[in-house]
This record gives sequence, C-alpha cells and structure tokens, in this order.
Amino acid sequence: QKEVEQNSGPLSVPEGAIASLNCTYSDRGSQSFFWYRQYSGKSPELIMSIYSNGDKEDGRFTAQLNKASQYVSLLIRDSQPSDSATYLCAVNTLDANFGNEKLTFGTGTRLTIIP
Amino acid sequence: ETGVTQTPRHLVMGMTNKKSLKCEQHLGHNAMYWYKQSAKKPLELMFVYNFKEQTENNSVPSRFSPECPNSSHLFLHLHTLQPEDSALYLCASSQEKRLAPYEQYFGPGTRLTVT
Repeated sequence: QKEVEQNSGPLSVPEGAIASLNCTYSDRGSQSFFWYRQYSGKSPELIMSIYSNGDKEDGRFTAQLNKASQYVSLLIRDSQPSDSATYLCAVNTLDANFGNEKLTFGTGTRLTIIP
Repeated sequence: ETGVTQTPRHLVMGMTNKKSLKCEQHLGHNAMYWYKQSAKKPLELMFVYNFKEQTENNSVPSRFSPECPNSSHLFLHLHTLQPEDSALYLCASSQEKRLAPYEQYFGPGTRLTVT
C-alpha cells in the first residue's frame, strides 16, 4: 500500500468551477499535511498546510482534513487557467529505518482548467 | 537573492565525470534536504541535514555524496553516475519548529542528464 495516494488525473475542470483534489494516507500517526503546486518544468510551491481536523481557508483555496478517515483534500474555488498544474499532497511520516519524521509525497494530480 | 537557490539549473554529464550541485537558502532555516524527482514517480527524499548534521540517508547509492558546511549551504557531489540517475534534483529547506513543522520550501531544481 502506498503511503500517500492521489488520483493521477488528469482532472479537467471548467473555468470558474470548483476543483476538488483528494489525497489519502496510511500512517495514522501523521500530524502535518501539505499541498504543493508544481507547474510543468518548475519546482513544487507550498500553497497550503493543515494540522487540525476541519477546514482551513486561504483565498480561493480550502484544505480539508479528516484524520479518522485518513484523507485530506484541496478545494480551489473560481478555478482559473493559471491553476492548471500538478498538485502534490505531502504528509509527515515516521521513517522506520532512521526513526526520524519526514515528508512523504504522493505522485500528484494533474489539474487542467478549461477556459 | 531570496528563498532557496540552486546551481546549476541544467547539467549534462558523462558517466565518468565528477560534478557538484549547490544549494543555498536565504530563509534562516535550520534544516536542508535533497530530493530526486523522476517522471511519474513521487518525490524521493535522499538526504536530510538538521543543524548541519546528516540525519537521513535514504538508502542512496554512494555515487551521491552530500556535504553541508553550514546551515545555509548544501552540496550534492556526483561521480560515476548511471543514466537512470537522470532526473530533477531538488533542494528544500525548513525551519523545524513546534507550531509549523515540516513546511519545506523548494529551490528551482537542477535538471540532470547523464549520458
């Protein structure tokens, strides 16, 4: 079982609609959750972090966390063509080999906003 | 300079060459990371340095050798690489703290091609 799972997409959403991106994780001990946006040929850019159950809003972005169900989601309201990118979910996990915590990334969901 | 910088941005090297990748963070962070990103695979953590001490070596082949002379600089020394090592190498930094742990910020990456 993958530690962090995302639907690879592509996910196509009309401009102005809500884009919904989902992520599930396997480590019940995870406490920190992040969404990164990565444009083609660029590096990941942190857009949201969430640590508590519930919703966290930042502009057009809302992160939702449900630790009991082990999923975290990202909603993008009023989607714009500039939101077209790959969105990476990252979760802190315990590295069994070294006893340290690290970020484990999903493979990402490719989002395309259709004008 | 702001954020996290990496040089060179592109590198082509033969399998017998020796080269180094450089990363510098201007965020006052106390932890730095090397990641490898290959097509259709999740980000792979290679090395972690906290307070200049290496705390993670994620089963990385010895042909990759990290160096962290201070909390702002990180190097990845490369020698006798294989074609499968061709990838985007990303440096990241974070400030390990209680309230916002593991928020990592990435540099632009070095696109490495091994011929």
